[in-house]
Amino acid sequence: ETGVTQTPRHLVMGMTNKKSLKCEQHLGHNAMYWYKQSAKKPLELMFVYNFKEQTENNSVPSRFSPECPNSSHLFLHLHTLQPEDSALYLCASSPRSGGQETQYFGPGTRLLVL
Amino acid sequence: GENVEQHPSTLSVQEGDSAVIKCTYSDSASNYFPWYKQELGKGPQLIIDIRSNVGEKKDQRIAVTLNKTAKHFSLHITETQPEDSAVYFCAAILLTGANNLFFGTGTRLTVIP
Repeated sequence: ETGVTQTPRHLVMGMTNKKSLKCEQHLGHNAMYWYKQSAKKPLELMFVYNFKEQTENNSVPSRFSPECPNSSHLFLHLHTLQPEDSALYLCASSPRSGGQETQYFGPGTRLLVL
Repeated sequence: GENVEQHPSTLSVQEGDSAVIKCTYSDSASNYFPWYKQELGKGPQLIIDIRSNVGEKKDQRIAVTLNKTAKHFSLHITETQPEDSAVYFCAAILLTGANNLFFGTGTRLTVIP
């Protein structure tokens, strides 16, 4: 266990649904990240939060909406997704952002959009 | 931005043999290079990393080498075991104030018993 948990582990949703992914870290870290992992593509950084403030939005469509209520929790709210959004969504955390800090990943949420 | 290329995409070796995975990066400013192992159903886990002020680092059966001039770095696994079978990712970090890791596309390693 890396100390980063994600729920749900699997999610199937229609294009008109609204759902949320949850990430929680028990490591006392101050930076949290959302990544998208698609087959045969590099991991894509989506969002970075540092001390609860969003410091990076990597040109992610507005149908993905992150929320970081505190340094331990990170959400990804999903609405009106497209089938091409089907992927593994990974959350990670690190002591802080902006340095050579090791990132610890959660197990991911496997999302299927129908 | 940074571009990380990783080869090969798949690699099969006999148990006990060595495995080598190679990565190149484009931005000479990158100075931290972690390697992650991702097993089925799990997120990537850091297995070894190297900083630009060293050329080689070893941890038991795993070693990483870095050639800053050529902008490439490699992962070496010796005496491979079936439990080494996984997808391995290299990454490079660009120090711009945000911890933006740039990942390679991954290598699926299969160790044949």
